[in-house]
Amino acid sequence: DAGVIQSPRHEVTEMGQEVTLRCKPISGHNSLFWYRQTMMRGLELLIYFNNNVPIDDSGMPEDRFSAKMPNASFSTLKIQPSEPRDSAVYFCASSLTWRNTEAFFGQGTRLTVV
Amino acid sequence: GQQVMQIPQYQHVQEGEDFTTYCNSSTTLSNIQWYKQRPGGHPVFLIQLVKSGEVKKQKRLTFQFGEAKKNSSLHITATQTTDVGTYFCAGTGGGADGLTFGKGTHLIIQP
Repeated sequence: DAGVIQSPRHEVTEMGQEVTLRCKPISGHNSLFWYRQTMMRGLELLIYFNNNVPIDDSGMPEDRFSAKMPNASFSTLKIQPSEPRDSAVYFCASSLTWRNTEAFFGQGTRLTVV
Repeated sequence: GQQVMQIPQYQHVQEGEDFTTYCNSSTTLSNIQWYKQRPGGHPVFLIQLVKSGEVKKQKRLTFQFGEAKKNSSLHITATQTTDVGTYFCAGTGGGADGLTFGKGTHLIIQP
């Protein structure tokens, strides 16, 4: 298995534009997590899905952020409209279950909003 | 929601010295996991502790889970330059909280 695949690896966009980050979890994993990493705030859990259903989205910073998981092999995190303070590295991770199993991280998407 | 605190934020050591990072949760955890992130990389799983008072070792790394399942520590003996990176603890609580990470401890090693 190729592991968790994220795209794009880097994204530079202008303030106000829509940004879509993509994630393909490891086949057979039932849980998927989206994290945001910054120097100031560390690794923040934004949302996680179990069996394609969002379980906890309390970490999503504002209504500008939305995430979907239309099937077991694909998820998106969308920011609309983007703002400079959204600049961060966004990680997707998957695990067999949402509890008590290790999380496998993708390489991350480095987002820069100018 | 669940909060996981980790100290120190940064630790400078001379190569060969020991290193310890501590993790505390505001709530009782069902498990604690430890990850390592190299500069420019992504977090990589090291180990999971589930039982109260559990101690696990991986070569020079020793992991402990507190009796109350609210704290944990990672100790590295005789650090090497390959140990450089950020060490994160992460825990899952009793409810529907997802895997919550501490802010990590950045280990800097001076040769």
